[in-house]
Amino acid sequence: KAGVTQTPRYLIKTRGQQVTLSCSPISGHRSVSWYQQTPGQGLQFLFEYFSETQRNKGNFPGRFSGRQFSNSRSEMNVSTLELGDSALYLCASSSGRGAQETQYFGPGTRLLVL
Amino acid sequence: GEDVEQSLFLSVREGDSSVINCTYTDSSSTYLYWYKQEPGAGLQLLTYIFSNMDMKQDQRLTVLLNKKDKHLSLRIADTQTGDSAIYFCAERSQAGTALIFGKGTTLSVSS
Repeated sequence: KAGVTQTPRYLIKTRGQQVTLSCSPISGHRSVSWYQQTPGQGLQFLFEYFSETQRNKGNFPGRFSGRQFSNSRSEMNVSTLELGDSALYLCASSSGRGAQETQYFGPGTRLLVL
Repeated sequence: GEDVEQSLFLSVREGDSSVINCTYTDSSSTYLYWYKQEPGAGLQLLTYIFSNMDMKQDQRLTVLLNKKDKHLSLRIADTQTGDSAIYFCAERSQAGTALIFGKGTTLSVSS
């Protein structure tokens, strides 16, 4: 099975712009979660989508949003970018079937905001 | 609140055993995980343990869980230079879907 794929792998934006990141989960997985990784805050949960619905959300401002398509692919969008949004954004997929599900991570998208 | 803590650095010599420790706060956590991150890469799932287990062994990896003390450890036997990476301990949040990660332990293996 192919793993979790994320595009693009690297991105440079300027303050005030918006950005869209994409994640394709492992085939058959219906849950996609997004995490932000920064040197200062570590790994923080952004949100999770399951069957095109947001099932869980972390403590991030409304500038961070996401969606999931019928084929389980997910996108996250960050509007009005700030310097502090520079981070590695990781996507994880799982079956979505319960507490025993394991999350498998993609390689991440590294975003630099100038 | 939920919190996971790990020591930040560990340095060992090739061939030695490495032990990475982690403490967590949520006693209702059902699964606890260890992930590995190499430079410039995403997270690789190494192993996990269910909360009703005390120990799990998987080749060179041994996970010990002390539920009373909320302490988790990962032992890597015969550590190799290729094991140099950041190791993250994670618990599943009370909400059931999000993972709560520690800050990561950087393992440095010298030959």
